[in-house]
Amino acid sequence: GAVVSQHPSWVICKSGTSVKIECRSLDFQATTMFWYRQFPKQSLMLMATSNEGSKATYEQGVEKDKFLINHASLTLSTLTVTSAHPEDSSFYICSAPLGGPRGDTQYFGPGTRLTVL
Amino acid sequence: AQTVTQSQPEMSVQEAETVTLSCTYDTSESDYYLFWYKQPPSRQMILVIRQEAYKQQNATENRFSVNFQKAAKSFSLKISDSQLGDAAMYFCAYRMNDMRFGAGTRLTVKP
Repeated sequence: GAVVSQHPSWVICKSGTSVKIECRSLDFQATTMFWYRQFPKQSLMLMATSNEGSKATYEQGVEKDKFLINHASLTLSTLTVTSAHPEDSSFYICSAPLGGPRGDTQYFGPGTRLTVL
Repeated sequence: AQTVTQSQPEMSVQEAETVTLSCTYDTSESDYYLFWYKQPPSRQMILVIRQEAYKQQNATENRFSVNFQKAAKSFSLKISDSQLGDAAMYFCAYRMNDMRFGAGTRLTVKP
């Protein structure tokens, strides 16, 4: 199956700093990638859709100035949490559909655990 | 908006037995995909099975099968011959453009 990687797998930062998380599709191209957030014992909540060559689409209630998304190439999307605060601590997961934006199956990265002190 | 409902927060099954996880969804679309994903303690999302809405035949993958009732908007997962390694969180998901997840069902497998 297709492989999606994320880096870093975990990160601890101080409040007020910015953290960048990378999502890469290793063996296929993805013009669209998705970013999710998952709190402990909860489901995945879609934050935004990352689009190569255009602006990301954010879900209602997600601050686009706080969660900056850049889809730099057909295999890389980055999520930057700006001025992080403890309430931003969470598990962030990206995914990419195989077969185009409406490809029938999404493949998920292993996730990034963010802890903001 | 599409919503996905999993009404069973927790389920338990004896090893080698069969268990069914429930999922319902709400949509006005006719062409979409449905999925079951497994999330073990590692938190890596693993695709278990998928179903195209235009296909009437229920999808099967080895010990995993679905009961897809389009009119009822129901998509249950049956796990046969349960194994200890099946213990995980199971998420039902709906996809047309983006993917929406249910709240999840935690499956425990008893030896």
